[in-house]
Amino acid sequence: SQKIEQNSEALNIQEGKTATLTCNYTNYSPAYLQWYRQDPGRGPVFLLLIRENEKEKRKERLKVTFDTTLKQSLFHITASQPADSATYLCALLNRDDKIIFGKGTRLHILP
Amino acid sequence: KAGVTQTPRYLIKTRGQQVTLSCSPISGHRSVSWYQQTPGQGLQFLFEYFSETQRNKGNFPGRFSGRQFSNSRSEMNVSTLELGDSALYLCASSLILQGVPYEQYFGPGTRLTVT
Repeated sequence: SQKIEQNSEALNIQEGKTATLTCNYTNYSPAYLQWYRQDPGRGPVFLLLIRENEKEKRKERLKVTFDTTLKQSLFHITASQPADSATYLCALLNRDDKIIFGKGTRLHILP
Repeated sequence: KAGVTQTPRYLIKTRGQQVTLSCSPISGHRSVSWYQQTPGQGLQFLFEYFSETQRNKGNFPGRFSGRQFSNSRSEMNVSTLELGDSALYLCASSLILQGVPYEQYFGPGTRLTVT
């Protein structure tokens, strides 16, 4: 069956350290992967998009990697800050043009 | 540029009733997608409209329907409401590039409670 999985447990990271979130998928052939941030009571906010033929993408303190062999994307926040605390969602565009979201990982940056 | 707006923000309905939710996309965005978000299931795709046509549909029963107007504004309707329909309903607009939607801009959502 098709699955897109993110760590369901909350991730606690000390301020200043690098937070790494994982997104694994099964039985999808995504054209691209996206990462979103969602704060409580708000809609998700787009962060980064990485295409199937790209290995890595960066934006300021954010970095995304995409390994189509491992069927995995990693999302890194360097020099993390308490303001980075939120739920992070990965989403993939499948070949049928549907965007499928993972359930998200809650990130807590501890001061 | 104004963001995606959704109305109403909160709604309480009873089982068996129907509800209509509205979404106004970012100016220039012709693709509008609808999602249902619940704590247990996460964000689940309902349907996507582009140029007044349904381009894609998720795995929801026929009680869930939508439409898009010529100004790209979209509505979704849920008939014969069930308790399990209680959720946050999110609308997202995007540009279509080379035939596919790219980054999605979400509205604040409509919180629907069915009692």
